[in-house]
Amino acid sequence: EIVLTQSPATLSLSPGERATLSCRASQSVSSYLAWYQQRPGQAPRLLIYDASNRATGIPARFSGSGSGTDYTLTISSLEPEDFAVYYCQQRSDWPLTFGGGTKVEIK
Amino acid sequence: QVQLVESGGGVVQPGRSLRLSCAASGFTFSSYGIHWVRQAPGKGLEWVAFISYDGRDQYYADSVKGRFTISRDNSRDSLYLQMNGLRPEDTAVYFCAKDRRWKQHHFDYWGQGTLVTVSS
Repeated sequence: EIVLTQSPATLSLSPGERATLSCRASQSVSSYLAWYQQRPGQAPRLLIYDASNRATGIPARFSGSGSGTDYTLTISSLEPEDFAVYYCQQRSDWPLTFGGGTKVEIK
Repeated sequence: QVQLVESGGGVVQPGRSLRLSCAASGFTFSSYGIHWVRQAPGKGLEWVAFISYDGRDQYYADSVKGRFTISRDNSRDSLYLQMNGLRPEDTAVYFCAKDRRWKQHHFDYWGQGTLVTVSS
């Protein structure tokens, strides 16, 4: 099973600041990595697929990068609605797996 | 617009069974693989099971293999999860989610989830 490790567990930032979230895989996932945002009480929302492609309707302040085992989600300037939990997910191999999540909270 | 609506959750005793349903609309259901993903209270996301567009292929997480069965009825635009031998650790909100594209197992639409509580 491919293990995804997200860091940090919690990120405390102010609106307008830049957020950088990391996801490290236990083996290469060949860029088959997605990022999701989950707000309290809501279903997850797809932000980025295949490492760097924004999903439909996702603002340009969200960007993804990385390859092999190391991936990054960047939010260029935090809006109030961006404070949430973010998960990475790989589709390189079965079973599909998620990272443990990074909570972006208001400082 | 795409909609996925789960139902069938509830409180069930350990060892008993429950069947979840997911009703789809707004897209060609028979063209997409669909998944179940769960989230225990206050915890992260856990992928549970997948079924291919035609129902021929299924994959399961080790934690549910042999106890849960995923199925679909393309004539009814519906997905199911038969859960047998339920355990307290199966307590979670269960989401259905569709593949973004054929064989691209990232989830572009999710339902709102149905809560399953396993407790005596």
